[in-house]
Amino acid sequence: QVQLVQSGAEVKKPGASVKVSCKASGYTFTSYYIHWVRQAPGQGLEWVGIINPGGGSTVYAPKFQGRVTMTRDTSTSTVYMELNSLRSDDTAVYYCTKVGTATCYRDCWFDPWGQGTLVTVSS
Amino acid sequence: QSVLTQPPSASGTPGQRVTISCSGSSSNIGNYPVNWYQQLPGTAPKLLIYSNNERPSGVPDRFSGSKSGTSTSLAISGLQSEDEADYYCAAWDDSLNGPVFGGGTKLTVL
Repeated sequence: QVQLVQSGAEVKKPGASVKVSCKASGYTFTSYYIHWVRQAPGQGLEWVGIINPGGGSTVYAPKFQGRVTMTRDTSTSTVYMELNSLRSDDTAVYYCTKVGTATCYRDCWFDPWGQGTLVTVSS
Repeated sequence: QSVLTQPPSASGTPGQRVTISCSGSSSNIGNYPVNWYQQLPGTAPKLLIYSNNERPSGVPDRFSGSKSGTSTSLAISGLQSEDEADYYCAAWDDSLNGPVFGGGTKLTVL
């Protein structure tokens, strides 16, 4: 079945970087865009950015531009999200999620979602 | 402040019908289909409704969606205790050039 499995929880100090992985299985990895969405404790969902696993192109939310980098490894069907210059308000659960139909860019639903990776930023 | 506006909470008793609203603008809901996600406590969001009113396989027909102009709503009929969760609406937004979400509605089954 289609599955996205993320790396484990991380604890980082302010100013550090974190790299979260998301391993895909059960479908053609290069045909479906993957988004990253985060959720701060007790808060709603916030879009971080999107990566095209096929060509590697990315689009980031303006709020994260300059601090986030998304990459992929087609040999292992894994996408990565690296966030730099971490601040306490970056503490959140980070989710990867796949678009519902192949090559969909705008009119997309997200299914499934990874289990989430808690990133805690604390001195 | 979320781009899409949802009520923070909703409630109902078992068997009742509840609706959750979500309003946006012409840059998002007015031009793009809306999707709804259900997030049970301590779990990742799960697709509940896509393309305004379509249900993925496995989602009971108690759940339905509708859209009119720049507003949309999720209806849950025959409310059950396992429906207690947070519900989020989402749509693409031309201003952000990315998807936007509502702030979420916490549904309580009394």
